[in-house]
Amino acid sequence: NFMLTQPHSVSESPGKTVTISCTRSSGSIASNYVQWYQQRPGSSPTSVIYEDNQRPSGVPDRFSGSIDSSSNSASLTISGLKTEDEADYYCQSYDNSNLWVFGGGTKLTVL
Amino acid sequence: QLQLRESSPGLVKPSETLSLTCTVSGDSISSSGFYWGWIRQPPGKGLEWIGSISYSGTTYYNPSLKSRVTISVDTSKNDFSLKLRSVTAADTAVYYCARHYDNFHWGQGTLVSVSS
Repeated sequence: NFMLTQPHSVSESPGKTVTISCTRSSGSIASNYVQWYQQRPGSSPTSVIYEDNQRPSGVPDRFSGSIDSSSNSASLTISGLKTEDEADYYCQSYDNSNLWVFGGGTKLTVL
Repeated sequence: QLQLRESSPGLVKPSETLSLTCTVSGDSISSSGFYWGWIRQPPGKGLEWIGSISYSGTTYYNPSLKSRVTISVDTSKNDFSLKLRSVTAADTAVYYCARHYDNFHWGQGTLVSVSS
C-alpha cells in the first residue's frame, strides 16, 4: 500500500491564496479519487473536496482541488483566505487492496 | 439527515479490549451500499484508518492493526462495532465512526484513554 505525504504546516495572509500538496508514494494519483477534509480544533473532520475536485454543498468556491500526474500529487487550493480557514487539512485516497489512506495533515495558519 | 454517534467507554485498562459502538440514524446500514468505518486520532496527531465493513458484512482492516481488530454490524439495531484487543497507551485516541465510499461522513468522535 502507499503513503500520502503532506507538508506539516503552511501559512499565509488573509485575502491571499494558499495551496496544500499531497504526494502519493506509489501507484498513480489518478487511479483513485482524492478527498480533502478540514478539521478545526475540537471538531470532527468535514469534507471540503471529494472525487479530486468536487465541492460538497455548502463549501465555498474559494476551495478547489486538482491532481497532477506529472508530480503524482493532489492539491487543495484556498483563495481569498479568511481567518476562519485556519485549521488542519487532510488528504485521503484509496488503495485497490481495499485500504483507505490518510495523509499526515497540514496545519494552515492564516496570519 | 445522517447522524453517527459513538458510544463512550472513556477509560480502558492496558491489555484489555476496547469496545465501541456506532449508532446510525438517517440511513440504513444494510441497504445503503456504503462502507461503515472506524478512524482514530491520537492526541495532537493525524488520522489513522482502522478498518471498515461493507453493507454485506465484508471487513477490511488496516494491516498495522489487523491482528487486534474486529468490526461487526448489527442490522437489527442499525449499528456497527469496533473491538480492539490487547490495548496499550499508544491506543489512546479520539475514535471516529464514519459512513463512506470514497468520501467520509464523520461522527462526533469519542476520546478513549488507555490507563491503569
